[in-house]
Amino acid sequence: SQKIEQNSEALNIQEGKTATLTCNYTNYSPAYLQWYRQDPGRGPVFLLLIRENEKEKRKERLKVTFDTTLKQSLFHITASQPADSATYLCALDETGGSYIPTFGRGTSLIVHP
Amino acid sequence: DTGVSQDPRHKITKRGQNVTFRCDPISEHNRLYWYRQTLGQGPEFLTYFQNEAQLEKSRLLSDRFSAERPKGSFSTLEIQRTEQGDSAMYLCASSPSTVATEAFFGQGTRLTVV
Repeated sequence: SQKIEQNSEALNIQEGKTATLTCNYTNYSPAYLQWYRQDPGRGPVFLLLIRENEKEKRKERLKVTFDTTLKQSLFHITASQPADSATYLCALDETGGSYIPTFGRGTSLIVHP
Repeated sequence: DTGVSQDPRHKITKRGQNVTFRCDPISEHNRLYWYRQTLGQGPEFLTYFQNEAQLEKSRLLSDRFSAERPKGSFSTLEIQRTEQGDSAMYLCASSPSTVATEAFFGQGTRLTVV
């Protein structure tokens, strides 16, 4: 069966460190993968999109990598701040699909001052 | 334009009642999605529209659920004969293109069925 797996345990890190979140998938051939941020009681907010032919993408303190051989994406936040504390969701859509993002369950990030 | 708007933000209803939610997407976004999210889970796809056409529905979508997008503008999601298992956050999102782009989400409607 198709699965999108994100660590269900919260990631706790100290302010200033780099946070690394993982998204693994099975039985998908994604055309692209997206990362979203979600705060409690609010809708997800788009952060980055990476396509299947791209290895890495950056935006300010954010970096995403995409390894279609390992079937994995890594999401990095450098110089993390308490304001980065939130749930981070990955979403993907398959090659030849309908461009409907399918979401993982998300990983909670807590940045301690 | 202030983004995707959903109404109401919260709804409490008794089991067996019908409820209707509204979503106003960002102007000129031709794609509109409905998702459902329960605590600790990611958003689960329900259905989507390309302009006024409903192009895909999740197999998980019960017959009690119906969605419309008249004239390709706002959309409504109706749940008939609500059940306690329908309690969730209902999220609407829109996107500007038929190719891969970001989805812009509203704040959601929190439904509680008692």
